[in-house]
Amino acid sequence: GAVVSQHPSWVICKSGTSVKIECRSLDFQATTMFWYRQFPKQSLMLMATSNEGSKATYEQGVEKDKFLINHASLTLSTLTVTSAHPEDSSFYICSARRPGRPGGTQYFGPGTRLLVL
Amino acid sequence: AQTVTQSQPEMSVQEAETVTLSCTYDTSESDYYLFWYKQPPSRQMILVIRQEAYKQQNATENRFSVNFQKAAKSFSLKISDSQLGDAAMYFCASSRFSQGGSEKLVFGKGTKLTVNP
Repeated sequence: GAVVSQHPSWVICKSGTSVKIECRSLDFQATTMFWYRQFPKQSLMLMATSNEGSKATYEQGVEKDKFLINHASLTLSTLTVTSAHPEDSSFYICSARRPGRPGGTQYFGPGTRLLVL
Repeated sequence: AQTVTQSQPEMSVQEAETVTLSCTYDTSESDYYLFWYKQPPSRQMILVIRQEAYKQQNATENRFSVNFQKAAKSFSLKISDSQLGDAAMYFCASSRFSQGGSEKLVFGKGTKLTVNP
């Protein structure tokens, strides 16, 4: 399977600061990447779809000014949680899909645990 | 709205035995794809198996196989010869296309599988 990395794997920050999470597709060029949020013992909730060279598409209820997404290259997407607050504490997961035909598998990064104090 | 339902929050199986995890879905798409992902305690999402809805033949991957019943919109996962390393959360997912043409995944709530030695 393909390899997707995330950095950092763990981050603890103070309330009001901004946190940037990187997602890299290591062995293929991903025109589309996805950002998910997962609360403990719950399923993955899609936050946004990151498209290389264009604006991200956010799911309903996700604040685009709060969660800034940049997909500047075919192998890198970043999620910035701006002015983080304790309620933003969660597990954030990115995924990348190989371009091409529909139904392509999404390959997931290892996730980033964010704790806002 | 597209939905994926996993009716079994938890399942357990004895090592070396067989277990089946249930999944039903509801979609208006004419062409779609179905997936089972595994999330062990490390929280890394790992693809277990993938099914193309237009294919009648059930997908298999070593000890993992699916029972795909398109008319019933059912997509169950069978794990044979269960191993301790199979213990994880299992998520069923289906693909859907957004209005913008982007292909996304819709996840079920997951089934926690325990493997007893």
